[in-house]
Amino acid sequence: DAGVIQSPRHEVTEMGQEVTLRCKPISGHNSLFWYRQTMMRGLELLIYFNNNVPIDDSGMPEDRFSAKMPNASFSTLKIQPSEPRDSAVYFCASRHRRLSNTGELFFGEGSRLTVL
Amino acid sequence: AQTVTQSQPEMSVQEAETVTLSCTYDTSESDYYLFWYKQPPSRQMILVIRQEAYKQQNATENRFSVNFQKAAKSFSLKISDSQLGDAAMYFCAYKAQGGSEKLVFGKGTKLTVNP
Repeated sequence: DAGVIQSPRHEVTEMGQEVTLRCKPISGHNSLFWYRQTMMRGLELLIYFNNNVPIDDSGMPEDRFSAKMPNASFSTLKIQPSEPRDSAVYFCASRHRRLSNTGELFFGEGSRLTVL
Repeated sequence: AQTVTQSQPEMSVQEAETVTLSCTYDTSESDYYLFWYKQPPSRQMILVIRQEAYKQQNATENRFSVNFQKAAKSFSLKISDSQLGDAAMYFCAYKAQGGSEKLVFGKGTKLTVNP
């Protein structure tokens, strides 16, 4: 069974450009999470969805960040305009409803973003 | 707010030896879950072991075991018979039961396994 698939794996862009990160959760999983990992702040939850509906976006840094989940098999995280401080590894994770109590997440390999 | 603290930024162990990684957390909840995740150089986070707070028995998964001290809010990971493939970043994480589905992570401990 395929795991969580993220693209691109690496992205280098210039300040001010729009960045779109993509995620395909594991089939049958109904929750999807976007995390950001930096050396300074560690792993931070940006937003999560249940059944394609955003539940908690309190971790989204500012209006430059937006996330969508148009269907159960696809989500995007967009940064517009990007800034150097957005440089980080962005992880997508998904979870099946039967694991909702335990909290176990299945992570993708992450998208490493560098903003010059 | 819940916080998770890993006080050891780096640890090293000889192959076949045992190592213990420390984790403490702060919460006012009585029911919650604790996790150890492994992040190898490939970056993908993998669940190593999980502990339910209501269970007194420490969780064990093959060479991995935890020492869960609820009163002390401590959750350490013991790796026995360390292997080269155990080298990775290890993250301790907390989730309250019910309510928010947010996993709160510690800053991680980098484990080096020496041959």
